[in-house]
Amino acid sequence: GNSVTQMEGPVTLSEEAFLTINCTYTATGYPSLFWYVQYPGEGLQLLLKATKADDKGSNKGFEATYRKETTSFHLEKGSVQVSDSAVYFCALTSRGSTLGRLYFGRGTQLTVWP
Amino acid sequence: GAGVSQSPSNKVTEKGKDVELRCDPISGHTALYWYRQSLGQGLEFLIYFQGNSAPDKSGLPSDRFSAERTGGSVSTLTIQRTQQEDSAVYLCASSLGDSGRRNEQFFGPGTRLTVL
Repeated sequence: GNSVTQMEGPVTLSEEAFLTINCTYTATGYPSLFWYVQYPGEGLQLLLKATKADDKGSNKGFEATYRKETTSFHLEKGSVQVSDSAVYFCALTSRGSTLGRLYFGRGTQLTVWP
Repeated sequence: GAGVSQSPSNKVTEKGKDVELRCDPISGHTALYWYRQSLGQGLEFLIYFQGNSAPDKSGLPSDRFSAERTGGSVSTLTIQRTQQEDSAVYLCASSLGDSGRRNEQFFGPGTRLTVL
């Protein structure tokens, strides 16, 4: 089946610290992988995505590389800001399932202190 | 252009009552999805529409839950005889419905349902 496992939060960092949020997956077929972000009081937004092995998705200083050999899609940022405080969700879609249906991880709460 | 909108933003109801949640997708988006976000279960898929048809209803938790979509646009999620475990944020998303890059989902702000 399809599933996503991401590191449990909460994660608390100081401004300018390095961020890693781990995400691993199981999937039927060849999945596309996503990171979504939910800022306080707002809806889910797509942060970045990768559709095939070795692709790197990037946006707003965040990066994640699709690693088929380790079935991982870890989210990284070199220097976090207070404005990055949010909940981050790793997700996948699989060609073997309903078109576009997303399978989400449980989410990781990130808090960045000044 | 407007994004996905949902109404109401908040709904408080008593156990046993019926509720209707509405989703207005982005104009031209043929695919529409309902998800539920709760503390205990994270983000769960409920149902998927392509046009007015629902080829995948596998995520609906029970027969108290139903959804319809009319005119290939607005969708309504109905919960009958609400229970306290139905309390959650109900999210709607829409996409162009094609495979590949055009299938990015855009999410609405959600409806927070509280069942007392």
